[in-house]
Amino acid sequence: DSGVTQTPKHLITATGQRVTLRCSPRSGDLSVYWYQQSLDQGLQFLIHYYNGEERAKGNILERFSAQQFPDLHSELNLSSLELGDSALYFCASSVVSGGAFDEQYFGPGTRLTVT
Amino acid sequence: GNSVTQMEGPVTLSEEAFLTINCTYTATGYPSLFWYVQYPGEGLQLLLKATKADDKGSNKGFEATYRKETTSFHLEKGSVQVSDSAVYFCALKPTGNTGKLIFGQGTTLQVKP
Repeated sequence: DSGVTQTPKHLITATGQRVTLRCSPRSGDLSVYWYQQSLDQGLQFLIHYYNGEERAKGNILERFSAQQFPDLHSELNLSSLELGDSALYFCASSVVSGGAFDEQYFGPGTRLTVT
Repeated sequence: GNSVTQMEGPVTLSEEAFLTINCTYTATGYPSLFWYVQYPGEGLQLLLKATKADDKGSNKGFEATYRKETTSFHLEKGSVQVSDSAVYFCALKPTGNTGKLIFGQGTTLQVKP
């Protein structure tokens, strides 16, 4: 158990809908990262938040957004869902914000299925 | 840009065989390098890391050495067990404070008794 929690574990929804994925980082970690794992794209970095502020964006679609709240939990919002958004979404956390020694710990993931 | 290339899988070995999973990278500066393991139905677990050239990361019998001259970070284990069956990901963290990880495509390892 990494100490990172994600809810829900599974989510099935229809095209065009909107969903929210939730992540609670390990106690004491200030950074939250979101990744998408799909069969065709592999593991892709989406976005990084540090202590409530956005630090870096990767291959995140405009239909997707995220935020980190004062209690440090984070939410990833996916809207106007398409079949191709079906994937495993991972959250990871770390103590600081990058640096050579900063280690990321991953949650168990949320499996999103868009039908 | 930054990228990671892993050997194609799946890799199928018998128990107690020697394991090598190749990983090469392209990056500017001095990235940190990682191996993560994903067991079926689970998230990624950090297996080992190296933060500078010639560093050797090791954990649970697995080892990898950061080779800057060949831009490689190959994963090795002397004697694999059935419980090592999983997907292994090589990753790099670019120089700087972005923190993001760039992953290879993953290599599936299946160990047969």
